[in-house]
Amino acid sequence: QQPVQSPQAVILREGEDAVINCSSSKALYSVHWYRQKHGEAPVFLMILLKGGEQKGHEKISASFNEKKQQSSLYLTASQLSYSGTYFCGTEGGSQGNLIFGKGTKLSVKP
Amino acid sequence: KAGVTQTPRYLIKTRGQQVTLSCSPISGHRSVSWYQQTPGQGLQFLFEYFSETQRNKGNFPGRFSGRQFSNSRSEMNVSTLELGDSALYLCASSLLQSDLGKLFFGSGTQLSVL
Repeated sequence: QQPVQSPQAVILREGEDAVINCSSSKALYSVHWYRQKHGEAPVFLMILLKGGEQKGHEKISASFNEKKQQSSLYLTASQLSYSGTYFCGTEGGSQGNLIFGKGTKLSVKP
Repeated sequence: KAGVTQTPRYLIKTRGQQVTLSCSPISGHRSVSWYQQTPGQGLQFLFEYFSETQRNKGNFPGRFSGRQFSNSRSEMNVSTLELGDSALYLCASSLLQSDLGKLFFGSGTQLSVL
């Protein structure tokens, strides 16, 4: 029941935009997004609850469509500091632990 | 406020040995989750403890076990190590159960099995 992320990797130039998708085969009530920079621990970006609300962090926003069981992370006018691997997390077992997708590696070039 | 502390930072073991990793959560956090990270596989869920009770366990063999103490500190143990156990082991703490709140990750323990 691991969520599926796409694309697996993306390369951008500074200032370009990107979209990272996360989909699940099961019904969701929340989606969590984290970013991990090389050699560092993952860091929380945002949680989205069902209702389709969008959240934002810097120039990063996300949407959650519970009917389609998917979420998208939008990176606008990317900066070098956005480089890293982005993980989405969804509820896993019967008691709701958090499980993550395999990640999307984002590289922003000057 | 101190962050999540994992010890040791690096470990080198040989096949067949066992290992114990430690995680001290942020003060006041009652949930500790453990993840195994390997290149290409992302973060694989091992188990979560909340108030000393294991809430859930991932698809790992019984050689992987854990526990949580009354002060919320957690340990995970891997017995009869195999080469494939080489990975970065991350623990994360949260105030609430992991699917309800923000996780704070430690820097991890890099385990190498030779």
